[in-house]
Amino acid sequence: KQEVTQIPAALSVPEGENLVLNCSFTDSAIYNLQWFRQDPGKGLTSLLLIQSSQREQTSGRLNASLDKSSGRSTLYIAASQPGDSATYLCAGTNSGNTPLVFGKGTRLSVIA
Amino acid sequence: DAGVTQSPTHLIKTRGQQVTLRCSPKSGHDTVSWYQQALGQGPQFIFQYYEEEERQRGNFPDRFSGHQFPNYSSELNVNALLLGDSALYLCASSLGSSGAYEQYFGPGTRLTVT
Repeated sequence: KQEVTQIPAALSVPEGENLVLNCSFTDSAIYNLQWFRQDPGKGLTSLLLIQSSQREQTSGRLNASLDKSSGRSTLYIAASQPGDSATYLCAGTNSGNTPLVFGKGTRLSVIA
Repeated sequence: DAGVTQSPTHLIKTRGQQVTLRCSPKSGHDTVSWYQQALGQGPQFIFQYYEEEERQRGNFPDRFSGHQFPNYSSELNVNALLLGDSALYLCASSLGSSGAYEQYFGPGTRLTVT
């Protein structure tokens, strides 16, 4: 059974800092890994999807990597801004169109 | 291009009552999944519908049931509501045949059971 853990649970950084959010999973047979952003009380916004044959994806200031052998994914945010403040969730699937298994998220605060 | 939509936005119910939540998938998507998110937790999978059939189900009691219509929209029904059913209910859609299976989420329905 896939389990996903995110560390740290909360993070506070000054504006402009580069930061890394961590996600670990127990089953290396992970198929896809997706990173989401969630603002308080809102739905999830998909940030990046790393498919099974890929090792990383980039979108603007965001870069996500996936290392199946070590059971880890990282989300790198460059030059953080106050508007990046939100909860970041990672989730994986084990095959095809199977359900996403989520971590509890990392709550990020970027201080101006 | 319309994204995933959900209704209602908020709902307050009393213990023992029944509730129906609705979801319209992103244009072109044929698969709908429902998740429950308690405060401070990650979303938990309830069930998934494809071709009007429940394809997969998470660890939720039979009080939780659903339906998918020919236009791919979906409903989540919860009977005999408990206080513990208070949560944000999220609907996600994807294209079952795409291979990528990227899931897109709606804004959620906040259910409060009193």
